[in-house]
Amino acid sequence: GENVEQHPSTLSVQEGDSAVIKCTYSDSASNYFPWYKQELGKRPQLIIDIRSNVGEKKDQRIAVTLNKTAKHFSLHITETQPEDSAVYFCAAFSPGTYKYIFGTGTRLKVLA
Amino acid sequence: DTAVSQTPKYLVTQMGNDKSIKCEQNLGHDTMYWYKQDSKKFLKIMFSYNNKELIINETVPNRFSPKSPDKAHLNLHINSLELGDSAVYFCASSQGTGDLYGYTFGSGTRLTVV
Repeated sequence: GENVEQHPSTLSVQEGDSAVIKCTYSDSASNYFPWYKQELGKRPQLIIDIRSNVGEKKDQRIAVTLNKTAKHFSLHITETQPEDSAVYFCAAFSPGTYKYIFGTGTRLKVLA
Repeated sequence: DTAVSQTPKYLVTQMGNDKSIKCEQNLGHDTMYWYKQDSKKFLKIMFSYNNKELIINETVPNRFSPKSPDKAHLNLHINSLELGDSAVYFCASSQGTGDLYGYTFGSGTRLTVV
């Protein structure tokens, strides 16, 4: 079945450094890849997304890249701040099944 | 004005009981979902309704029954609760079938079965 692998499961970085989270999906028909941020005890919130016809998208300190051939997509956070600390989920949408498959999450800690 | 609201926020109940969680969205979205997030934070889809029609029904015990009286509401009823049902249940909604603008999640219902 469809699967999304996400790495690393935990990531600690110093404030001001960059953080990169990587995901790999299995369904080559997947066409939409959102990223969600979930702060402790709160709901997941969409922070950035990318469609299969685009290779890169940037929004201030966050960017997402997509390599369709390799079925990889990554989240890049630059100049990290303590408020970036959260669990981040990638997801891949499969149009054939109308399903999002979520990655297993990455707990990011930004150390002040 | 909360976009996707779930009630209750917390639910503690004994094994064997039957309980319901309610969800309402005021975004005019067509599709609503129930997700289960376990203690390891895995987010797994359970059900999805598009315009009151069930479109996703994952391998979930039939003790779980969703009901969508209209496209703004999706409720989840759970019969004969078991310890393993303890989790956070998130409702979500999306425009279309979800590949347009992603999901808006509710704030979650933390279910604890004792």
